[in-house]
Amino acid sequence: DTGVSQDPRHKITKRGQNVTFRCDPISEHNRLYWYRQTLGQGPEFLTYFQNEAQLEKSRLLSDRFSAERPKGSFSTLEIQRTEQGDSAMYLCASSLDRQAGQPQHFGDGTRLSIL
Amino acid sequence: QKEVEQNSGPLSVPEGAIASLNCTYSDRGSQSFFWYRQYSGKSPELIMFIYSNGDKEDGRFTAQLNKASQYVSLLIRDSQPSDSATYLCAVNVYNNNDMRFGAGTRLTVKP
Repeated sequence: DTGVSQDPRHKITKRGQNVTFRCDPISEHNRLYWYRQTLGQGPEFLTYFQNEAQLEKSRLLSDRFSAERPKGSFSTLEIQRTEQGDSAMYLCASSLDRQAGQPQHFGDGTRLSIL
Repeated sequence: QKEVEQNSGPLSVPEGAIASLNCTYSDRGSQSFFWYRQYSGKSPELIMFIYSNGDKEDGRFTAQLNKASQYVSLLIRDSQPSDSATYLCAVNVYNNNDMRFGAGTRLTVKP
């Protein structure tokens, strides 16, 4: 069990550019979640996958954001036409699929800075 | 009213003391409750989870849940300087797939 892995750890880009982050969940976990966290706040839910199906999206997830999990294993989160307000830590978490409410385990996150 | 509320702190306790962290939640349908520890610049790390009213102990940590009062707490006994971190309370409503987090309480344990 290598834990949840996220790549890259840091991303610095100019406003207007597109960025893509990757998350590899714990291997036996088929639920995968994306969160965003800004300084002094707790993580805010963005979206959730069960296997390859994206089952829920937050109102926070504007149409510039898209997430995929094509084979039910790793997931990608893409932000198009980045804005300064997108600067945050993007966290991925995974959990077992017995039922909602199982503990979620987080990766180390990707810190995005928009210049 | 925020869905999950925590005192932001900072909470400062001397080494060896008991640290008490509190959390209230607004949704009576909440079923699962979690405490995460987050060091500065790091991701949240699961410490405890509790589903039923009462106390749940794990080493130096005790989680307490009172659904009638919509209150969950975390006690840390024999606090160590390495416990200095932000503690996040998270709540999951039954059949919802996302967790709602509080803003966290910053704990400092002074040697």
